[in-house]
Amino acid sequence: DSGVTQTPKHLITATGQRVTLRCSPRSGDLSVYWYQQSLDQGLQFLIQYYNGEERAKGNILERFSAQQFPDLHSELNLSSLELGDSALYFCASSSGYTSTDTQYFGPGTRLTVL
Amino acid sequence: AQTVTQSQPEMSVQEAETVTLSCTYDTSENNYYLFWYKQPPSRQMILVIRQEAYKQQNATENRFSVNFQKAAKSFSLKISDSQLGDTAMYFCALTNAGKSTFGDGTTLTVKP
Repeated sequence: DSGVTQTPKHLITATGQRVTLRCSPRSGDLSVYWYQQSLDQGLQFLIQYYNGEERAKGNILERFSAQQFPDLHSELNLSSLELGDSALYFCASSSGYTSTDTQYFGPGTRLTVL
Repeated sequence: AQTVTQSQPEMSVQEAETVTLSCTYDTSENNYYLFWYKQPPSRQMILVIRQEAYKQQNATENRFSVNFQKAAKSFSLKISDSQLGDTAMYFCALTNAGKSTFGDGTTLTVKP
């Protein structure tokens, strides 16, 4: 158990809908990272937040947005969902924001878009 | 842009034997870090080992070690005394300025 929690574990929705994935980092960690793992694209870095501020951005679509709240939990919002958005979404956390910091991954949220 | 390539989609090894997983990368940065992650059937991502690019000494964690060749941009993972619990997908990753790039993974099967 990494100490990172993600809810829900599974989510099934329809195309065009909007969903919110939630992540609680390990106690004391200030950084949260979001990743998407789909069958045909491997693991893709989406975005990083540190202490409420966006720090780094990867291949995140404009239909996706994220934020980190004062209590350090983070939410990833996915809108206008398409079939291709079906994937496992991981959240990871680390104590700092530099590349030296070990990222601890949550168990993931499996999103299925029908 | 940074890229990470794992050229071996699948590998297998006999229990107690040694196996090496390959990873090559490309980046224009000097200050970066390299990681190997393990993803067992549970899909949990587990850090196996990490290497700072500025360190010449290869990292070692128990049965896991790396062969880091900076000039060749190569970062292979050696697993010694393979155990059945090592069966998993292994991802090589490069992190720079908070951005991480992962390879496509190598599925390792340890056979009894």
